[in-house]
Amino acid sequence: GENVEQHPSTLSVQEGDSAVIKCTYSDSASNYFPWYKQELGKGPQLIIDIRSNVGEKKDQRIAVTLNKTAKHFSLHITETQPEDSAVYFCAEGQFYFGTGTSLTVIP
Amino acid sequence: SAVISQKPSRDICQRGTSLTIQCQVDSQVTMMFWYRQQPGQSLTLIATANQGSEATYESGFVIDKFPISRPNLTFSTLTVSNMSPEDSSIYLCSVAGGLATNEKLFFGSGTQLSVL
Repeated sequence: GENVEQHPSTLSVQEGDSAVIKCTYSDSASNYFPWYKQELGKGPQLIIDIRSNVGEKKDQRIAVTLNKTAKHFSLHITETQPEDSAVYFCAEGQFYFGTGTSLTVIP
Repeated sequence: SAVISQKPSRDICQRGTSLTIQCQVDSQVTMMFWYRQQPGQSLTLIATANQGSEATYESGFVIDKFPISRPNLTFSTLTVSNMSPEDSSIYLCSVAGGLATNEKLFFGSGTQLSVL
């Protein structure tokens, strides 16, 4: 569970466009995949999570998809807004975090 | 969700000294964790703070360097001992859900430590 790859490391989008961040993991037994948003000077905040018994989960403008066969999961943010600008981390379980994606939404 | 207060929010320390970081939660929680986040990097788990027993440390972290206390279900401290510039980092307290087993993590705002 220690190898969680996250791409891209930086991402710039125009306001209103969609943003997609992808993560891959190595432990096929893993069954919990959260996403965190970290704003400058703050701790990470859980924004959405998914368990291995579902393939997709949505919460307003945010969605997460999981492909257990390929061992990857993705965060999708639609209709991006400037306040979505932050660093996003995926995680495998509670303890293994991806390397982070710095998202900038350009007004 | 849990509200986590972490103190201090930042500090600048001299090489060779120690700093103790406090983490207070507004409700009882079973699981408390300490993470390190080096500048521009991801989070690395230091240890799990166990109430009433010694903390469980991850590979690469030892009790002599990072002693942890957990006197009750709402409070923990992490000490960074005999600091060197390599210890400059953000240290984060985290809790999992409430008293029941819960995977959702909530984080404090972190302590930004700079060692000169």
